[in-house]
Amino acid sequence: GESVGLHLPTLSVQEGDNSIINCAYSNSASDYFIWYKQESGKGPQFIIDIRSNMDKRQGQRVTVLLNKTVKHLSLQIAATQPGDSAVYFCAETYTNAGKSTFGDGTTLTVKP
Amino acid sequence: DGGITQSPKYLFRKEGQNVTLSCEQNLNHDAMYWYRQDPGQGLRLIYYSQIVNDFQKGDIAEGYSVSREKKESFPLTVTSAQKNPTAFYLCASTLGAGGNTIYFGEGSWLTVV
Repeated sequence: GESVGLHLPTLSVQEGDNSIINCAYSNSASDYFIWYKQESGKGPQFIIDIRSNMDKRQGQRVTVLLNKTVKHLSLQIAATQPGDSAVYFCAETYTNAGKSTFGDGTTLTVKP
Repeated sequence: DGGITQSPKYLFRKEGQNVTLSCEQNLNHDAMYWYRQDPGQGLRLIYYSQIVNDFQKGDIAEGYSVSREKKESFPLTVTSAQKNPTAFYLCASTLGAGGNTIYFGEGSWLTVV
């Protein structure tokens, strides 16, 4: 069945380092992917998205890479800051799917 | 400001009681969703609705009920049939049925006492 999974459940980085969070998806029909950040006790917040006609998209300090060949998505955070500590979810969907599929999440901890 | 409002933020339920969580959005979104999140876990879809007066079961609908009488409102009732309701509940919405960004509310904590 459809699934979106993350390779690593936790990631610990030093402040100032770059972080890479990975995600695998299994539905080759998915054409829209989103990364969310969730702080403790709060709702997930949109970080960045990418459509399947792109391989890379950049935002402010964040970059999402999409490899459709191996069904892999990654989120890169440059110069990671303590405020980046949170759980990060990837989600995948496709037009008229009616719903999205979320991964279990990776907990990012930034050490000062 | 546009957004999704969930209430209450914290709710306590006695065993055997039904409780209703409110979700209102002023984003003019067509689709609305309810997710359950247990500590340290991901999001699991309870129910979703793509248009008014229509809704579909998600992956864990047993013990829950919803209604969609208005476009902006999608309340979730946690019934006494839900044996383990203690969790964080998230309401979300999107502009269309798929291929669009999902926007989330701030969540509601439900605890059984």
